Amino acid sequence: EPEVTQTPSHQVTQMGQEVILRCVPISNHLYFYWYRQILGQKVEFLVSFYNNEISEKSEIFDDQFSVERPDGSNFTLKIRSTKLEDSAMYFCASSPSGGLTGELFFGEGSRLTVL
Amino acid sequence: GDSVTQMEGPVTLSEEAFLTINCTYTATGYPSLFWYVQYPGEGLQLLLKATKADDKGSNKGFEATYRKETTSFHLEKGSVQVSDSAVYFCALRHSSYKLIFGSGTRLLVRP
Repeated sequence: EPEVTQTPSHQVTQMGQEVILRCVPISNHLYFYWYRQILGQKVEFLVSFYNNEISEKSEIFDDQFSVERPDGSNFTLKIRSTKLEDSAMYFCASSPSGGLTGELFFGEGSRLTVL
Repeated sequence: GDSVTQMEGPVTLSEEAFLTINCTYTATGYPSLFWYVQYPGEGLQLLLKATKADDKGSNKGFEATYRKETTSFHLEKGSVQVSDSAVYFCALRHSSYKLIFGSGTRLLVRP
């Protein structure tokens, strides 16, 4: 069964360093998303991406964050200069359509620890 | 703004017990409602959904009914199994690309 894959599963970094989290969405999907979950808190929307551009982003997704689909298969989240509060589990998701009733397919997550 | 509130866990039950996990939402209009489940070491998976008032979503013995009058979407299962141990997330989607999640409820089923 097709699935969303994410790498790395866990990354430890020093504050101020750049981090790139990678995702391979399901191949025929058109909409891509990043969510994050700080330990013990809600899963929060970061950004959605369609047709090679950001379609929606949250207040969390500030200038430190960027997304890219560099080669038609990968979907990356870059954090330019990590802060302690960026420590969280980051989930990538994809969906075949953008409709309100559609299912999102999630990866297993990448745990980011900022020291 | 739109939001989802679900009961805090953990919920600990014995095998074959009845399960209810409460979920209420705040949104204008008619959002679509979802339950996602996260098994240990895995990503979130859609468990069931309902897209309009009075719809009942069901899957793997789990059910939830979209109640507009009480703005609720409670998850129920008549007889839980050890394999149902997971974290359950209620979510809504409304006039936007994003899913809005509740905080998750951990279910632990003991043999």
